[in-house]
Amino acid sequence: EDKVVQSPLSLVVHEGDTVTLNCSYEVTNFRSLLWYKQEKKAPTFLFMLTSSGIEKKSGRLSSILDKKELSSILNITATQTGDSAIYLCAVLRRGGADGLTFGKGTHLIIQP
Amino acid sequence: GAVVSQHPSRVICKSGTSVKIECRSLDFQATTMFWYRQFPKQSLMLMATSNEGSKATYEQGVEKDKFLINHASLTLSTLTVTSAHPEDSSFYICSAREGRANTEAFFGQGTRLTVV
Repeated sequence: EDKVVQSPLSLVVHEGDTVTLNCSYEVTNFRSLLWYKQEKKAPTFLFMLTSSGIEKKSGRLSSILDKKELSSILNITATQTGDSAIYLCAVLRRGGADGLTFGKGTHLIIQP
Repeated sequence: GAVVSQHPSRVICKSGTSVKIECRSLDFQATTMFWYRQFPKQSLMLMATSNEGSKATYEQGVEKDKFLINHASLTLSTLTVTSAHPEDSSFYICSAREGRANTEAFFGQGTRLTVV
């Protein structure tokens, strides 16, 4: 059975801090790993990672995939209160019904 | 990014009735749409995958006759919860993908279903 594990499950930091969120996976026929931010309702897409070792960056957010370790990290630098959300990691398999398998998410709270 | 619209955003229904939830891709053609369910403080669980013009593929443990999925066009998929019970109360969310499997999927706003 496919498994996606995120850590920590929750994290409280102060504005300006840097955070690192972790995601590990056990998936047959791995294709890609995706990161989403979920605030109130719909998850919004952050990154899709397919190749190992290549960092993807968007503003203060960055992410990298390690296929050898079957894991990924999401970094947020100079955090702001607007970064408070649940960050979801999901994996996509090759072939078959190709919906996403999600982890439970990391609930990030940024305190002023 | 592309826009996926889900309707209604919130619905309350009586036990035993059926509820239909719509998912539309507004500015692209969605060859594949996905339906997820999310319980409070839990992650999204894939219920089924639907491809336009063909029958949906359901995940293990999801009742096909209870959760009817219709993907009649490239821009619309519907999920009908039949004979709803209080335990069906949940957050249902759809996502849509335009083309190849290795492209991002965009999510609708979700539907909060409460069965009383």
